Amino acid sequence: DAEITQSPRHKITETGRQVTLACHQTWNHNNMFWYRQDLGHGLRLIHYSYGVQDTNKGEVSDGYSVSRSNTEDLPLTLESAASSQTSVYFCASSESSNQPQHFGDGTRLSIL
Amino acid sequence: QKEVEQDPGPLSVPEGAIVSLNCTYSNSAFQYFMWYRQYSRKGPELLMYTYSSGNKEDGRFTAQVDKSSKYISLFIRDSQPSDSATYLCARPTHGSGNTGKLIFGQGTTLQVKP
Repeated sequence: DAEITQSPRHKITETGRQVTLACHQTWNHNNMFWYRQDLGHGLRLIHYSYGVQDTNKGEVSDGYSVSRSNTEDLPLTLESAASSQTSVYFCASSESSNQPQHFGDGTRLSIL
Repeated sequence: QKEVEQDPGPLSVPEGAIVSLNCTYSNSAFQYFMWYRQYSRKGPELLMYTYSSGNKEDGRFTAQVDKSSKYISLFIRDSQPSDSATYLCARPTHGSGNTGKLIFGQGTTLQVKP
């Protein structure tokens, strides 16, 4: 079955370090999204992509970057991790812009 | 004002109860809505997807949209302990849905007690 997987599921790191979270989908979806989920804020969009070589900033993009070199993957990089970036990160994909998004099971990131 | 608002709960009901979960929104220029269910330590999963106004039914679940009052509801009949989860409503950021981006409510946490 097609799916979307995130890795790692849990990560602890220190402030100032670079961190990359992986997202891989096997649906061949063009659209991919990264969200963070925090208590009191719900899901907030970080970055998104409509296809290979396309990336766009979302609502809370500062301190994050993404790259899209193929259809299946959209890695999320924290250039210099900050404690405020401690959160649960979700990746999602959709076949097209009027189709629902399907989510991975998240990466729980703690920055000490 | 947030664009999509939900009461975070928690909402606790006995097994078998009818549950009503609600969202209000501030911008009426869009065509479809979604309800996602999220179990603890899992990603959101699409529960229902409905266009425009009116009702949509799927088993024990009914989604209702009232565009005149900007109100979205999810009803769960004969609630089960397995329905215990956080329920998120979502809508596209633009009326045509062309961007594919969604705005989510904070989610309502539901606990169904046996």
